[in-house]
Amino acid sequence: DVKVTQSSRYLVKRTGEKVFLECVQDMDHENMFWYRQDPGLGLRLIYFSYDVKMKEKGDIPEGYSVSREKKERFSLILESASTNQTSMYLCASSTFIGQRSYEQYFGPGTRLTVT
Amino acid sequence: LAKTTQPISMDSYEGQEVNITCSHNNIATNDYITWYQQFPSQGPRFIIQGYKTKVTNEVASLFIPADRKSSTLSLPRVSLSDTAVYYCLVGEGYGGSQGNLIFGKGTKLSVKP
Repeated sequence: DVKVTQSSRYLVKRTGEKVFLECVQDMDHENMFWYRQDPGLGLRLIYFSYDVKMKEKGDIPEGYSVSREKKERFSLILESASTNQTSMYLCASSTFIGQRSYEQYFGPGTRLTVT
Repeated sequence: LAKTTQPISMDSYEGQEVNITCSHNNIATNDYITWYQQFPSQGPRFIIQGYKTKVTNEVASLFIPADRKSSTLSLPRVSLSDTAVYYCLVGEGYGGSQGNLIFGKGTKLSVKP
């Protein structure tokens, strides 16, 4: 079974803190994604990466950065956390079939609260 | 970027067939349509994906008309365990820097006994 793990299920941070959310997948997938999920807004893509050291902005990259130094690990960084970044953060990974990215496998999510 | 529109919620009873429609008027030539299911406190789970006409797997069917401006997820004979949020996703492949994935806001399906 594909496994996508996230470093924490629940996290509480203070405004202005630097926050790292870690995601690891064990299926040698090329693509990795970070989403946030808020009530009434569904899932919104923050960043994705299609290879080591490669990244692309998603819908809402402002206030976030990412790092992918190894294929299996994709980190989301909040340089200076703010209360409007309180949310559920979901990581996902997928592989290519042909030239097309296919099924995404999601982690369990990290519920981040910024106070 | 293709945007999607889905009903916010739907109710059904056990044993019924449920059809959830997603509108994606701006779908691009290379876009595929994918549906995910999400239970509370879990990440979304892939259900089905298609490009045109009809796709069927052991869980669901996906109907896509010729103009591809909408798609319908069909769940046969739902049970209480199908109560979840269903997301429609339209996007293209990631050969390099192509495209962004757009999730709909999801349809909350409630199945009653």
